[in-house]
Amino acid sequence: SAVISQKPSRDICQRGTSLTIQCQVDSQVTMMFWYRQQPGQSLTLIATANQGSEATYESGFVIDKFPISRPNLTFSTLTVSNMSPEDSSIYLCSAHTNEKLFFGSGTQLSVL
Amino acid sequence: GQQVMQIPQYQHVQEGEDFTTYCNSSTTLSNIQWYKQRPGGHPVFLIQLVKSGEVKKQKRLTFQFGEAKKNSSLHITATQTTDVGTYFCAGNPSGTYKYIFGTGTRLKVLA
Repeated sequence: SAVISQKPSRDICQRGTSLTIQCQVDSQVTMMFWYRQQPGQSLTLIATANQGSEATYESGFVIDKFPISRPNLTFSTLTVSNMSPEDSSIYLCSAHTNEKLFFGSGTQLSVL
Repeated sequence: GQQVMQIPQYQHVQEGEDFTTYCNSSTTLSNIQWYKQRPGGHPVFLIQLVKSGEVKKQKRLTFQFGEAKKNSSLHITATQTTDVGTYFCAGNPSGTYKYIFGTGTRLKVLA
């Protein structure tokens, strides 16, 4: 199994600012993903965080808005840039290991 | 784009009744996984299905993967209040490493 520490757990931000979410895994994992989940909704994949190369973004998500870093096999960050109220959501970090996804506890972001 | 749909969206059952959620993918999948998310929590892995037509059981839960590897189902026998939560299927499209989550089925069990 994998234990994932994600922080911050929640934040309230002003529009136009940026927030960086950190995700630390207690073991080395090949694949890490970032998802977004609106309350009561499903998880939407933002991107795959690739170690040593640029992240792979899903349709509708771009690097300028959601830059992702993956400096090693245990750590990744997601930045939500130039935030607007539409970015208010829960952001989840995920690691794929032992043929399953493990999730961090999420970051609840509110943009005023 | 790739889509994974689930029905029903919501299900309210009396404790002891059975429950089934169905999952359909727009593309063929290498495998499919099922997750449970309790209110306020994050998704937790339940099971993975890989083979066409595969059926797996976990106590009162039965999971099935369709012959065409595009659909799946989760059946819970004799629901309990501890089964409350949202059940998501997550499909791994063939040739990719990513998982696309289904729309989810929220289960409420009435005691």
